[in-house]
Amino acid sequence: RKEVEQDPGPFNVPEGATVAFNCTYSNSASQSFFWYRQDCRKEPKLLMSVYSSGNEDGRFTAQLNRASQYISLLIRDSKLSDSATYLCVGQPGGSYIPTFGRGTSLIVHP
Amino acid sequence: EAGVTQSPTHLIKTRGQQATLRCSPISGHTSVYWYQQALGLGLQFLLWYDEGEERNRGNFPPRFSGRQFPNYSSELNVNALELEDSALYLCASSGRTVRANYGYTFGSGTRLTVV
Repeated sequence: RKEVEQDPGPFNVPEGATVAFNCTYSNSASQSFFWYRQDCRKEPKLLMSVYSSGNEDGRFTAQLNRASQYISLLIRDSKLSDSATYLCVGQPGGSYIPTFGRGTSLIVHP
Repeated sequence: EAGVTQSPTHLIKTRGQQATLRCSPISGHTSVYWYQQALGLGLQFLLWYDEGEERNRGNFPPRFSGRQFPNYSSELNVNALELEDSALYLCASSGRTVRANYGYTFGSGTRLTVV
Protein backbone atom coordinates (compact mmCIF):
# COMPACT_ATOMS: atom_id res chain seq x y z
CA ARG A 1 0.00 0.00 0.00
CA LYS A 2 1.33 3.42 -0.94
CA GLU A 3 2.03 5.81 1.92
CA VAL A 4 -0.05 8.57 0.40
CA GLU A 5 -2.90 7.73 -1.96
CA GLN A 6 -5.01 9.98 -4.11
CA ASP A 7 -7.72 9.45 -6.68
CA PRO A 8 -5.96 10.46 -9.93
CA GLY A 9 -9.19 11.77 -11.46
CA PRO A 10 -9.59 13.68 -13.62
CA PHE A 11 -12.28 15.64 -11.89
CA ASN A 12 -14.10 17.51 -14.63
CA VAL A 13 -16.24 20.34 -13.22
CA PRO A 14 -17.92 23.48 -14.57
CA GLU A 15 -16.86 26.94 -13.52
CA GLY A 16 -18.42 27.92 -10.23
CA ALA A 17 -18.70 24.38 -8.94
CA THR A 18 -17.46 23.17 -5.59
CA VAL A 19 -15.07 20.23 -5.75
CA ALA A 20 -13.42 18.18 -3.02
CA PHE A 21 -10.42 15.89 -3.08
CA ASN A 22 -9.47 13.37 -0.45
CA CYS A 23 -6.09 11.86 0.22
CA THR A 24 -5.37 8.96 2.57
CA TYR A 25 -2.11 8.28 4.33
CA SER A 26 -0.88 5.07 5.88
CA ASN A 27 1.86 6.32 8.19
CA SER A 28 0.14 7.23 11.45
CA ALA A 29 3.34 9.00 12.53
CA SER A 30 2.83 11.62 9.84
CA GLN A 31 2.52 14.99 11.48
CA SER A 32 2.79 17.59 8.76
CA PHE A 33 0.54 17.71 5.74
CA PHE A 34 0.38 19.94 2.71
CA TRP A 35 -1.39 20.46 -0.57
CA TYR A 36 0.65 21.44 -3.61
CA ARG A 37 -0.56 22.54 -7.00
CA GLN A 38 1.28 21.50 -10.14
CA ASP A 39 0.54 22.93 -13.55
CA CYS A 40 1.36 20.91 -16.65
CA ARG A 41 5.13 20.48 -17.09
CA LYS A 42 5.84 22.89 -14.24
CA GLU A 43 7.18 22.47 -10.73
CA PRO A 44 4.83 21.88 -7.79
CA LYS A 45 3.98 24.96 -5.77
CA LEU A 46 2.87 24.95 -2.17
CA LEU A 47 -0.85 25.68 -1.96
CA MET A 48 -1.46 25.36 1.75
CA SER A 49 -0.58 23.53 4.93
CA VAL A 50 -3.17 21.32 6.57
CA TYR A 51 -4.05 21.45 10.24
CA SER A 52 -6.42 19.42 12.39
CA SER A 53 -8.35 22.58 13.08
CA GLY A 54 -8.79 23.19 9.37
CA ASN A 55 -7.18 25.81 7.24
CA GLU A 56 -8.96 28.21 4.92
CA ASP A 57 -7.42 30.47 2.32
CA GLY A 58 -9.99 32.25 0.21
CA ARG A 59 -11.85 29.67 -1.85
CA PHE A 60 -9.66 26.82 -0.59
CA THR A 61 -10.24 24.85 2.60
CA ALA A 62 -7.98 22.04 3.82
CA GLN A 63 -8.84 19.63 6.58
CA LEU A 64 -7.05 16.84 8.41
CA ASN A 65 -8.84 13.86 9.93
CA ARG A 66 -6.33 11.96 12.03
CA ALA A 67 -8.77 9.31 13.20
CA SER A 68 -9.49 8.22 9.63
CA GLN A 69 -6.04 9.19 8.33
CA TYR A 70 -7.09 11.39 5.48
CA ILE A 71 -6.73 14.97 4.40
CA SER A 72 -9.08 16.88 2.18
CA LEU A 73 -9.06 19.90 -0.06
CA LEU A 74 -12.24 21.79 -0.89
CA ILE A 75 -12.33 24.33 -3.70
CA ARG A 76 -15.35 26.59 -3.88
CA ASP A 77 -16.47 28.64 -6.87
CA SER A 78 -14.01 26.90 -9.21
CA LYS A 79 -12.21 29.04 -11.76
CA LEU A 80 -10.74 27.99 -15.10
CA SER A 81 -7.34 28.83 -13.64
CA ASP A 82 -7.80 26.19 -10.94
CA SER A 83 -7.23 23.51 -13.58
CA ALA A 84 -4.10 21.70 -12.44
CA THR A 85 -2.90 18.62 -10.60
CA TYR A 86 -3.19 18.75 -6.83
CA LEU A 87 -0.63 16.81 -4.81
CA CYS A 88 -1.09 15.87 -1.19
CA VAL A 89 1.92 15.43 1.01
CA GLY A 90 2.50 13.75 4.35
CA GLN A 91 5.58 13.99 6.50
CA PRO A 92 6.43 11.92 9.59
CA GLY A 93 7.41 13.82 12.68
CA GLY A 94 11.15 14.30 12.99
CA SER A 95 11.70 13.42 9.34
CA TYR A 96 12.80 15.92 6.79
CA ILE A 97 11.51 13.81 3.92
CA PRO A 98 7.88 14.22 2.92
CA THR A 99 5.98 11.68 0.84
CA PHE A 100 4.05 12.95 -2.14
CA GLY A 101 0.89 11.47 -3.55
CA ARG A 102 0.65 11.01 -7.30
CA GLY A 103 -1.80 13.85 -7.60
CA THR A 104 -5.41 14.46 -8.54
CA SER A 105 -6.13 16.13 -11.85
CA LEU A 106 -8.74 18.88 -11.91
CA ILE A 107 -10.21 20.26 -15.11
CA VAL A 108 -12.50 23.26 -14.81
CA HIS A 109 -14.47 23.94 -17.99
CA PRO A 110 -16.58 26.94 -19.03
CA GLU B 1 14.98 37.16 -3.20
CA ALA B 2 15.98 34.62 -5.83
CA GLY B 3 14.25 31.27 -5.57
CA VAL B 4 15.69 27.84 -6.17
CA THR B 5 17.41 27.80 -9.54
CA GLN B 6 18.14 24.74 -11.62
CA SER B 7 20.16 24.22 -14.76
CA PRO B 8 19.95 23.23 -17.47
CA THR B 9 16.24 23.54 -18.19
CA HIS B 10 16.36 20.72 -20.71
CA LEU B 11 18.93 18.01 -21.28
CA ILE B 12 19.01 15.36 -23.97
CA LYS B 13 21.40 12.46 -23.55
CA THR B 14 22.05 9.12 -25.18
CA ARG B 15 21.59 5.87 -23.30
CA GLY B 16 24.78 4.99 -21.44
CA GLN B 17 25.98 8.57 -21.10
CA GLN B 18 26.23 10.58 -17.91
CA ALA B 19 24.08 13.57 -16.97
CA THR B 20 24.90 16.34 -14.52
CA LEU B 21 22.13 18.52 -13.13
CA ARG B 22 22.71 21.59 -10.98
CA CYS B 23 20.76 23.33 -8.25
CA SER B 24 21.29 26.58 -6.36
CA PRO B 25 19.23 26.86 -3.18
CA ILE B 26 17.51 29.92 -1.82
CA SER B 27 20.03 32.19 -0.16
CA GLY B 28 20.54 31.13 3.45
CA HIS B 29 19.23 27.61 2.91
CA THR B 30 21.60 24.79 3.75
CA SER B 31 19.54 21.75 2.70
CA VAL B 32 18.94 20.60 -0.84
CA TYR B 33 16.53 17.84 -1.84
CA TRP B 34 16.35 16.09 -5.19
CA TYR B 35 13.23 14.45 -6.59
CA GLN B 36 12.46 12.56 -9.77
CA GLN B 37 9.07 12.86 -11.44
CA ALA B 38 8.66 10.44 -14.30
CA LEU B 39 5.69 10.82 -16.63
CA GLY B 40 2.52 9.65 -14.93
CA LEU B 41 4.26 9.02 -11.63
CA GLY B 42 4.47 11.00 -8.44
CA LEU B 43 7.50 12.71 -7.04
CA GLN B 44 10.05 10.15 -5.93
CA PHE B 45 12.60 11.25 -3.33
CA LEU B 46 16.18 10.83 -4.55
CA LEU B 47 18.65 12.52 -2.24
CA TRP B 48 18.94 15.00 0.61
CA TYR B 49 22.09 17.02 1.24
CA ASP B 50 22.66 19.22 4.24
CA GLU B 51 25.82 21.07 5.24
CA GLY B 52 27.76 19.26 2.53
CA GLU B 53 26.76 15.77 3.66
CA GLU B 54 24.36 13.23 2.18
CA ARG B 55 21.72 12.82 4.91
CA ASN B 56 19.23 10.52 3.28
CA ARG B 57 18.76 8.60 0.08
CA GLY B 58 15.70 7.28 -1.68
CA ASN B 59 15.25 3.88 -3.29
CA PHE B 60 17.42 4.53 -6.34
CA PRO B 61 20.47 2.64 -7.67
CA PRO B 62 24.00 3.89 -6.91
CA ARG B 63 24.37 5.35 -10.38
CA PHE B 64 22.31 8.22 -9.02
CA SER B 65 24.69 10.29 -6.93
CA GLY B 66 25.44 13.85 -6.11
CA ARG B 67 27.22 16.28 -3.91
CA GLN B 68 26.78 19.57 -2.17
CA PHE B 69 29.35 22.33 -2.40
CA PRO B 70 30.52 24.74 0.33
CA ASN B 71 28.16 27.40 -1.03
CA TYR B 72 25.29 24.85 -0.58
CA SER B 73 24.65 24.46 -4.28
CA SER B 74 24.30 20.89 -5.41
CA GLU B 75 24.88 18.57 -8.34
CA LEU B 76 22.97 15.45 -9.22
CA ASN B 77 24.85 12.97 -11.38
CA VAL B 78 23.23 10.12 -13.21
CA ASN B 79 25.62 7.59 -14.71
CA ALA B 80 24.98 4.94 -17.32
CA LEU B 81 21.73 6.58 -18.36
CA GLU B 82 18.77 4.36 -19.12
CA LEU B 83 15.66 5.24 -21.09
CA GLU B 84 13.53 5.12 -17.94
CA ASP B 85 15.66 7.86 -16.39
CA SER B 86 13.78 10.28 -18.63
CA ALA B 87 11.92 12.51 -16.19
CA LEU B 88 11.59 15.92 -14.64
CA TYR B 89 14.22 16.31 -11.92
CA LEU B 90 13.24 18.76 -9.23
CA CYS B 91 15.33 20.39 -6.56
CA ALA B 92 14.03 22.01 -3.38
CA SER B 93 15.80 23.75 -0.53
CA SER B 94 15.15 24.49 3.12
CA GLY B 95 16.87 26.27 5.99
CA ARG B 96 18.63 24.54 8.84
CA THR B 97 15.74 24.74 11.25
CA VAL B 98 12.94 24.09 8.82
CA ARG B 99 11.15 20.82 9.39
CA ALA B 100 9.31 21.44 6.14
CA ASN B 101 6.39 22.51 8.27
CA TYR B 102 6.28 25.38 5.87
CA GLY B 103 6.57 23.18 2.81
CA TYR B 104 9.14 23.13 0.06
CA THR B 105 9.97 25.66 -2.59
CA PHE B 106 10.93 23.83 -5.75
CA GLY B 107 13.07 24.97 -8.62
CA SER B 108 11.55 24.86 -12.08
CA GLY B 109 13.28 21.55 -12.76
CA THR B 110 15.49 19.95 -15.38
CA ARG B 111 13.72 17.85 -17.96
CA LEU B 112 16.05 14.99 -18.86
CA THR B 113 15.35 13.01 -21.99
CA VAL B 114 17.33 9.85 -22.66
CA VAL B 115 17.27 8.61 -26.24
